[in-house]
Amino acid sequence: NAGVTQTPKFQVLKTGQSMTLQCAQDMNHNSMYWYRQDPGMGLRLIYYSASEGTTDKGEVPNGYNVSRLNKREFSLRLESAAPSQTSVYFCAIRTSGNNEQFFGPGTRLTVL
Amino acid sequence: GESVGLHLPTLSVQEGDNSIINCAYSNSASDYFIWYKQESGKGPQFIIDIRSNMDKRQGQRVTVLLNKTVKHLSLQIAATQPGDSAVYFCAENMGDYKLSFGAGTTVTVRA
Repeated sequence: NAGVTQTPKFQVLKTGQSMTLQCAQDMNHNSMYWYRQDPGMGLRLIYYSASEGTTDKGEVPNGYNVSRLNKREFSLRLESAAPSQTSVYFCAIRTSGNNEQFFGPGTRLTVL
Repeated sequence: GESVGLHLPTLSVQEGDNSIINCAYSNSASDYFIWYKQESGKGPQFIIDIRSNMDKRQGQRVTVLLNKTVKHLSLQIAATQPGDSAVYFCAENMGDYKLSFGAGTTVTVRA
């Protein structure tokens, strides 16, 4: 997964609980992304960050917040989890040279 | 084997044959397109990309074709192998390299 790590790998939450998904890269790239993938579907962009300290909304940002406090880490927070947020969450980085996006292994989240 | 139309969820292909996976994209202003391969339980893996100023690009055993007139993208895999069994996604750049993904095509290779 090209130096992109995600924690946790699995998580089960109850409706209304909060949690933070962590993503870290070891490649010093500026751009990082959070996507969600629902069963049988392609990925949809939640938020992205073009550089440390900057974030912007993607296609499906509602119910999520993000934080990019340093270049290495980009976290995704669910303040009050809902069953509709049951999904697999992928973090990605974009290389500076050829703009390829590399994905982490994913976090599988179930909200009951 | 070939998938046709806007989206065919599955494609079954005989080992050794060529595979063609098709994708229709939505944004005529998109300037960059990518094909990803996703194996079960893993994140998407980059296969090949193409910019809108090109019609064709070749990689190792894979070729991507872009037809901007009809907003169509295809991925050709030569001499398909069992390890090629996976879900394949096309993605387009919606600006700032924010990607919009298709629904995916599941490729199954028959021995």
